[in-house]
Amino acid sequence: GQQVMQIPQYQHVQEGEDFTTYCNSSTTLSNIQWYKQRPGGHPVFLIQLVKSGEVKKQKRLTFQFGEAKKNSSLHITATQTTDVGTYFCAGRNAGGTSYGKLTFGQGTILTVHP
Amino acid sequence: DSGVTQTPKHLITATGQRVTLRCSPRSGDLSVYWYQQSLDQGLQFLIQYYNGEERAKGNILERFSAQQFPDLHSELNLSSLELGDSALYFCASSVASGRTEAFFGQGTRLTVV
Repeated sequence: GQQVMQIPQYQHVQEGEDFTTYCNSSTTLSNIQWYKQRPGGHPVFLIQLVKSGEVKKQKRLTFQFGEAKKNSSLHITATQTTDVGTYFCAGRNAGGTSYGKLTFGQGTILTVHP
Repeated sequence: DSGVTQTPKHLITATGQRVTLRCSPRSGDLSVYWYQQSLDQGLQFLIQYYNGEERAKGNILERFSAQQFPDLHSELNLSSLELGDSALYFCASSVASGRTEAFFGQGTRLTVV
């Protein structure tokens, strides 16, 4: 079945440093979504990428979708303490009987030291 | 507030018991997803329903079952509970089944003792 791998599992940074998490799927994706879960909270949608090679920005966050639609990355510039949390990628199959299935990566836990 | 309501928020029960978790999706959302989150396993997809019908199935144990009712609320039934079933169970909903974002509820924390 489809697998979505995410690395690194943990990332500790000093405030002001950059942060990147990478996501790789075993199958071609229809689209990929990114979510953030604050400690003790629930996942909250950040963005969705649909097109091959797509790049989207949200303030200090940059999201990329690979040309083959099998990988993605999230880059945060100049981290702040408010960026603390777990970042998940989630991919949807490009087709087949499990089209709607949204498979999450293991998540990257980001800690920001002030 | 995501608009997705899950009840109860916390549940403590004994091994061997059966529990039912309830989810009310956002108004207008037809698709409901169930996820299990354990400390070391991230978000594990269990099952998805769309407008009352099962759409996709993940690593859901045979002891677990779910359904989506005509009013679109969903229930996840967990039976013959084991200690390892202790986890956060999230419900999420989306408008459709494909290219739409999922809104998560606050989760139900299940503790099996």
